[in-house]
Amino acid sequence: AQSVTQLDSQVPVFEEAPVELRCNYSSSVSVYLFWYVQYPNQGLQLLLKYLSGSTLVKGINGFEAEFNKSQTSFHLRKPSVHISDTAEYFCAVSDQSGSARQLTFGSGTQLTVLP
Amino acid sequence: NAGVMQNPRHLVRRRGQEARLRCSPMKGHSHVYWYRQLPEEGLKFMVYLQKENIIDESGMPKERFSAEFPKEGPSILRIQQVVRGDSAAYFCASSPTYPLVSYNEQFFGPGTRLTVL
Repeated sequence: AQSVTQLDSQVPVFEEAPVELRCNYSSSVSVYLFWYVQYPNQGLQLLLKYLSGSTLVKGINGFEAEFNKSQTSFHLRKPSVHISDTAEYFCAVSDQSGSARQLTFGSGTQLTVLP
Repeated sequence: NAGVMQNPRHLVRRRGQEARLRCSPMKGHSHVYWYRQLPEEGLKFMVYLQKENIIDESGMPKERFSAEFPKEGPSILRIQQVVRGDSAAYFCASSPTYPLVSYNEQFFGPGTRLTVL
């Protein structure tokens, strides 16, 4: 079984400031890692994913995340945020092996970018 | 290439009625997943289906909920005798089959928001 913890439920930040959204996971097996963004009343859009290889992953809209196996973390970062980045962000994991392909999500972090 | 489609987008039911939610996966995708998002919470896995098969229903409530993905047509999530606690957003996702690129990625639909009065 896996679990995902997003340590901050709300993150307010001023426009053009950097931001980090934290994600830690727990799993007894190797996992794939994902960050999704959800705008109000919409579905989820994939920002980036870690499958293997380089631990620094770059995604859409200027976001990046770093996989740290020893700390079981996958924090999301952006060096300079825009008002349009205001949304809910979800970290998720899935089992690398077997037929258990479902995603386990964290509870989400609401990012609010202030002018 | 159309994305994952869900309908209706909004559904209002009275307690005791049935709710039927539909999901059409992306073209070429044969795997469908249903998730539920309760207010102020993350998404919780419900069921994973392939054509005509339920692969994993470990997240489905034991009663009143059922899902299918027939050979032809959309996947359907059915909730019988709805209660107020069923009010939530229900999301469908689809993924392609290995070894296609992004087989391990799920593409989400816009969701169906169910309100039970």
